[in-house]
Amino acid sequence: AQSVTQLGSHVSVSEGALVLLRCNYSSSVPPYLFWYVQYPNQGLQLLLKYTSAATLVKGINGFEAEFKKSETSFHLTKPSAHMSDAAEYFCAVSDSGTYKYIFGTGTRLKVLA
Amino acid sequence: DTAVSQTPKYLVTQMGNDKSIKCEQNLGHDTMYWYKQDSKKFLKIMFSYNNKELIINETVPNRFSPKSPDKAHLNLHINSLELGDSAVYFCASSQEGGNTEAFFGQGTRLTVV
Repeated sequence: AQSVTQLGSHVSVSEGALVLLRCNYSSSVPPYLFWYVQYPNQGLQLLLKYTSAATLVKGINGFEAEFKKSETSFHLTKPSAHMSDAAEYFCAVSDSGTYKYIFGTGTRLKVLA
Repeated sequence: DTAVSQTPKYLVTQMGNDKSIKCEQNLGHDTMYWYKQDSKKFLKIMFSYNNKELIINETVPNRFSPKSPDKAHLNLHINSLELGDSAVYFCASSQEGGNTEAFFGQGTRLTVV
């Protein structure tokens, strides 16, 4: 069965510091992987996706993630945090034809001035 | 021009009432979903539909009845509301079931009192 683990329910970084949000997945077949961001009282917005093309995926707002099959990881990074990055971040996994996305428990990112 | 729109955005109702949430997508997608986000931000799939056909019913109480009159609409009717039904409900759609990213609505915050 598919599953996603996000280590760290809360992450705090200083403005301008590196952002690293961790995601590990479990899947019996090559998965599709996604990172979504949720701002307060809003829906989920796609940051980036991995669909078996390049292992380093670039997304919106300066975020990127690297698919590492050997580590079953898909960690999200951003070189320099902005105050506007403060939000809840979700990693998700799906398989072809499964008609569902399995989400991690989310990581709340706080950016300190 | 909202891609996935849900109405209402907020819903406050008493225990035992029946309520509906409507969802429409204008992306031409084949697959639509209902997700429930609890107070701890955990996202869990409830239902998925593909071309108006129910594909997934993730052990949801039968008080919840989805209806898809056409590919662009997926409504959620809830009978005999309980306190535990209080949550944010998200509608989403995707072009293919799990192969591509899902687009989410803004959510409906349901509060049962």
